[in-house]
Amino acid sequence: GQQLNQSPQSMFIQEGEDVSMNCTSSSIFNTWLWYKQDPGEGPVLLIALYKAGELTSNGRLTAQFGITRKDSFLNISASIPSDVGIYFCAGQEDNFNKFYFGSGTKLNVKP
Amino acid sequence: KAGVTQTPRYLIKTRGQQVTLSCSPISGHRSVSWYQQTPGQGLQFLFEYFSETQRNKGNFPGRFSGRQFSNSRSEMNVSTLELGDSALYLCASSYKPPGTGDGGVSTEAFFGQGTRLTVV
Repeated sequence: GQQLNQSPQSMFIQEGEDVSMNCTSSSIFNTWLWYKQDPGEGPVLLIALYKAGELTSNGRLTAQFGITRKDSFLNISASIPSDVGIYFCAGQEDNFNKFYFGSGTKLNVKP
Repeated sequence: KAGVTQTPRYLIKTRGQQVTLSCSPISGHRSVSWYQQTPGQGLQFLFEYFSETQRNKGNFPGRFSGRQFSNSRSEMNVSTLELGDSALYLCASSYKPPGTGDGGVSTEAFFGQGTRLTVV
């Protein structure tokens, strides 16, 4: 089945630092999405990517769709305490709304 | 615009019982997907419905079923509950234009808050 590897599993950083996380897949994706999930809540969509090489920003967040279409990364600049949560990547390989999710990156930010 | 609404938020059931969860998608969205989230397995795809038809199904036993109504609202049912079915069940809605086949535009999936099911 589809393998989606997300790293790192967890990060402990100081407020103000930049953060980077990435996902790689075993097959080509047409769409990459990045979500943030707070405890007990559903994931909230942060950024959507549709084309290989696409670089998209949403405030302090920047994500890129890898050229090979098998990877994506998410950067968070100047982290703040409310960035704490679990970040998931999700990829879609066909035209149906079936997404494969990474295992998540748990982000901890120390004030 | 209201978001995705899932009911109930929390549920406690005993082994062997059955349960029905409900999801109301964002107005205008016709695709509804269901996911199971557990600490050990992460987010696992259950199935997806579009225009009342199941288009895609994950690797879950037949005890897990679903349906979609003409107003795009969806329900999922789990029969003969097992302890391992305890999880957060998430539904996601997305807009899918007619004659879709090109992927890309408007396929973002928006999630509800989930239903926390505990089987005891």
